[in-house]
Order: sequence, then structure tokens, then C-alpha cells
Amino acid sequence: TQLLEQSPQFLSIQEGENLTVYCNSSSVFSSLQWYRQEPGEGPVLLVTVVTGGEVKKLKRLTFQFGDARKDSSLHITAAQPGDTGLYLCAAHVPRAAGNKLTFGGGTRVLVKP
Amino acid sequence: NAGVTQTPKFQVLKTGQSMTLQCAQDMNHNSMYWYRQDPGMGLRLIYYSASEGTTDKGEVPNGYNVSRLNKREFSLRLESAAPSQTSVYFCASRMAGRGTGELFFGEGSRLTVL
Repeated sequence: TQLLEQSPQFLSIQEGENLTVYCNSSSVFSSLQWYRQEPGEGPVLLVTVVTGGEVKKLKRLTFQFGDARKDSSLHITAAQPGDTGLYLCAAHVPRAAGNKLTFGGGTRVLVKP
Repeated sequence: NAGVTQTPKFQVLKTGQSMTLQCAQDMNHNSMYWYRQDPGMGLRLIYYSASEGTTDKGEVPNGYNVSRLNKREFSLRLESAAPSQTSVYFCASRMAGRGTGELFFGEGSRLTVL
């Protein structure tokens, strides 16, 4: 069982549609990050959220950290083919040595033109 | 703008062979990490080095060893490769002491063990 559960595992939508990806856990986190990974490349950071209830926007992407700091969501408005990729949430476990991040299983998003 | 550089990018091994994956970063980061990525499993931490001179086990350390050669370089060694180690391996680095700091990843090394 993974510490961070992402859903859905796979999402295929048409260009212009909206989508939401979820990241859930039973643990409380001091911060949570979202990364996007494109084929053949390493993940790249999109955003970090640290406060319960926090909402951050990055162009058409909206990130929310749950009030209890156990879950997060990523909403994409009017998706574009360039949004295609693997979306990974990652959380910093409090008091963990080495500043370790634990990752969810990922959500693969395909946006068709 | 090299960032994190991994070599090799691709490798095919036979069961029982050994090999070392090399990683170097030029961002003066203190902490370095090795992850493996398998379908549907996200990224799982193999080993990490919080600072030069220290290494610690992550979630899936069995079958691997690491060396933090200096501040820039962190290598991952497979002493006797097994098919279960077929995966894509990523090296990453970040500034120490920052729980919210960004992880910078290399492009990955795809390893197949036959």
C-alpha cells in the first residue's frame, strides 16, 4: 500500500475539456508537491503547497491542499495536448531524515487534439 | 545548464552481471537521491545521501549499493543484477535543510536485465 494514492491512474480527454487528478493519504504532511513528467525525461516541479486549504494557480492549472493536509487535487481547465504527461504528487513526511519525498503512483493524462 | 547528468541512458544486462549507474550534479546541492520508476508505482526511493559523506537506505534498497564520491557525484551499483531490477532509474538532487525544496531530476537510465 502506497502512502500516497493517486486517482485516476489514467485519464484520456479531448482538447478543451477539464480534468481533475486526486492525491490522497491517511497521513498528515507538512508540504506536498506536484510534478509533471514527459516521456523520456525526469519529473519537473509544478508547485509546492504548504498550508492547509491553500489554493495555487499556474495558468490553467489549479492546485489545492486539503484543510487537514492529507490530500490534494490538481484541476486543469481547457486542457491542451501540451498538458499530456504523467502527473505525480509527492509529500514531505514530517521529521523524516534526509528531506525525503514519497511519491504517489502517478496519473497518466492524455489530451487528444 | 547541465543540472543532473546520468550515465548510461540505456543498458542491457544478463542476470548476475554487475554495473554502476553514474550521477553528477552541478548545482552545489547537498542532498542526492536514487529512485526507480516502474509502471503504476510512481517513484520509489532506493538510497539517498543527505550530505557528502553520508548515505542511507530508502524504501527499496535490497540488491543495490551506493557511493557518494564527493559533493557532485552519487553512484548506484548493482552487484548481481536480477530481472526484478529491470526499471528506469532516476537520480535527483536538492538543497539540504529545505523540506519544501524542489527535487531536480536527471533524464533517467533505462535498465533491462535478461
